[in-house]
Amino acid sequence: DAGVIQSPRHEVTEMGQEVTLRCKPISGHDYLFWYRQTMMRGLELLIYFNNNVPIDDSGMPEDRFSAKMPNASFSTLKIQPSEPRDSAVYFCASSHRGEAFFGQGTRLTVV
Amino acid sequence: SQQGEEDPQALSIQEGENATMNCSYKTSINNLQWYRQNSGRGLVHLILIRSNEREKHSGRLRVTLDTSKKSSSLLITASRAADTASYFCAPSFNFGNEKLTFGTGTRLTIIP
Repeated sequence: DAGVIQSPRHEVTEMGQEVTLRCKPISGHDYLFWYRQTMMRGLELLIYFNNNVPIDDSGMPEDRFSAKMPNASFSTLKIQPSEPRDSAVYFCASSHRGEAFFGQGTRLTVV
Repeated sequence: SQQGEEDPQALSIQEGENATMNCSYKTSINNLQWYRQNSGRGLVHLILIRSNEREKHSGRLRVTLDTSKKSSSLLITASRAADTASYFCAPSFNFGNEKLTFGTGTRLTIIP
């Protein structure tokens, strides 16, 4: 397996634009996590899914953020409209029986 | 809070020395994991220790767990420059639920 795959690796967008981050988890993993990492706030859990069902989205900062997992092999995190304070590295991770595997992250810059 | 807290926040040691990092948590756990993050990259799983285990080894890594004190430690022996990274613990509090949250980590710097 190629591991958790995230795209794009880098995204620069203007304030107000819609941003969609994508994640392909490892086949057979039943948990999928979205995290945001900044120097100020560290590594924050935004939302996680179990068997494609959102379990806890209490970390999603605002209604501007939404996440979906339409099937076991794909998830998206959408920000609409984006703001400069959304600039961060966004990580996706998947797990089965505890051990989580992380993607390389998407570095988002909102100008 | 439902996450571990690592201590110290930062640690610098000479190459070849041992590095010890600690993790504390507040409620009963199912298991506890340690992860490493190299600058700009995703976290990498190092080791998982279950609540009924007291010590676990993996190569140069040794993890201990003291459930009575609600704490864990990660020992890296004979450190190398490549061990320079941030280290995070992730306690799992809910049986059958694999929610993973992280603290601020320990930033380890190995001085050549």
